[in-house]
Amino acid sequence: GENVEQHPSTLSVQEGDSAVIKCTYSDSASNYFPWYKQELGKRPQLIIDIRSNVGEKKDQRIAVTLNKTAKHFSLHITETQPEDSAVYFCAAPGAAGNKLTFGGGTRVLVKP
Amino acid sequence: GAGVSQSPSNKVTEKGKDVELRCDPISGHTALYWYRQSLGQGLEFLIYFQGNSAPDKSGLPSDRFSAERTGGSVSTLTIQRTQQEDSAVYLCASSTRQGANSPLHFGNGTRLTVT
Repeated sequence: GENVEQHPSTLSVQEGDSAVIKCTYSDSASNYFPWYKQELGKRPQLIIDIRSNVGEKKDQRIAVTLNKTAKHFSLHITETQPEDSAVYFCAAPGAAGNKLTFGGGTRVLVKP
Repeated sequence: GAGVSQSPSNKVTEKGKDVELRCDPISGHTALYWYRQSLGQGLEFLIYFQGNSAPDKSGLPSDRFSAERTGGSVSTLTIQRTQQEDSAVYLCASSTRQGANSPLHFGNGTRLTVT
């Protein structure tokens, strides 16, 4: 099955700085890569996703890049704000495409 | 519109008791998932339902865990003879399309505590 590794596990940044989270996946057949944000005590919510036919996607202050050859994808948050503090999860579906395997999560703390 | 609804939101049970957790997906969503999240940990896949197809049970940790989905809508996750290591938040999610290549909509979860 798919194996997704996520780094770092924790990330502390100063407000206004950028944050980058990286994930690697094992199954080259994976073709969909979502990122979820989970605020403390709340449900995970999709913030951005990318499909394998594009290399980059941007939505305001967040962007995701995908390198299919190297089997890794990254989340970039620019001009971080305190409300960006949360746990972020990457995921990939694997060849069967019937379930998402999640990375271990990155706890992001934005210091004012 | 209404999102994914889970009940109860919190459940405290004694070791050895059975529990049932309920999930009501978004209307029209054909795919339904159960995940487990232990304190401060990631999301562990448990089971996946898609329409009338046989469910993918590959993530269920033991035969004490079972799930069903009636009429292609509501799902219940049952844990028999609960153990302390079963304590976690159980999250249900649904999506519009078959497979995991579309966004998942999560419920608020059921926090299970086994004493």
